[in-house]
Amino acid sequence: GQSLEQPSEVTAVEGAIVQINCTYQTSGFYGLSWYQQHDGGAPTFLSYNALDGLEETGRFSSFLSRSDSYGYLLLQELQMKDSASYFCAVRDGSSASKIIFGSGTRLSIRP
Amino acid sequence: DAGVIQSPRHEVTEMGQEVTLRCKPISGHNSLFWYRQTMMRGLELLIYFNNNVPIDDSGMPEDRFSAKMPNASFSTLKIQPSEPRDSAVYFCASSIGGRGGNEQFFGPGTRLTVL
Repeated sequence: GQSLEQPSEVTAVEGAIVQINCTYQTSGFYGLSWYQQHDGGAPTFLSYNALDGLEETGRFSSFLSRSDSYGYLLLQELQMKDSASYFCAVRDGSSASKIIFGSGTRLSIRP
Repeated sequence: DAGVIQSPRHEVTEMGQEVTLRCKPISGHNSLFWYRQTMMRGLELLIYFNNNVPIDDSGMPEDRFSAKMPNASFSTLKIQPSEPRDSAVYFCASSIGGRGGNEQFFGPGTRLTVL
């Protein structure tokens, strides 16, 4: 089966850098995704890594190490609007379409 | 593109009543997913469809829950009879299925309260 572990809460200061880690166990691996969800909103896609290494999209970067079954989301130049929950997710090994979500990391940003 | 559309946005009902949630996926997407989100259990996949066919309903909690997708542009999730523990936010999401589909697009959700 699939399982993902990520910290439940992270606190950081505005303007700083924060890293949210995710470890996973899957029966087949098709990539690691990250989603952002603001309070009262819907999850929105941030990034996807299928291969090892760092993918950068503006202030957000995502890293994957398949050998370690590990990835992280890096947020730079934190802004108050980045306060949200962040979910890592993996594709289910038995189905190309099904995605399994982690329990989410709530990021709180202090001024 | 209007994105994934869900209705109603909020539903308050009494225990024992039937509840029907509706979803219109993004045109051209052939995979549709129903999720339930609560503080205690997080984001749970209830059921998903590929090309209108239910593929995996292992997340449907009980026989009180049923889902249909009569065509590519419409799906319903029905709870009959509803119970207070069904109170949650229900999200519908769609994606381009198959190995090329890595991003799921979520609707705004339906906040269900069962009294």
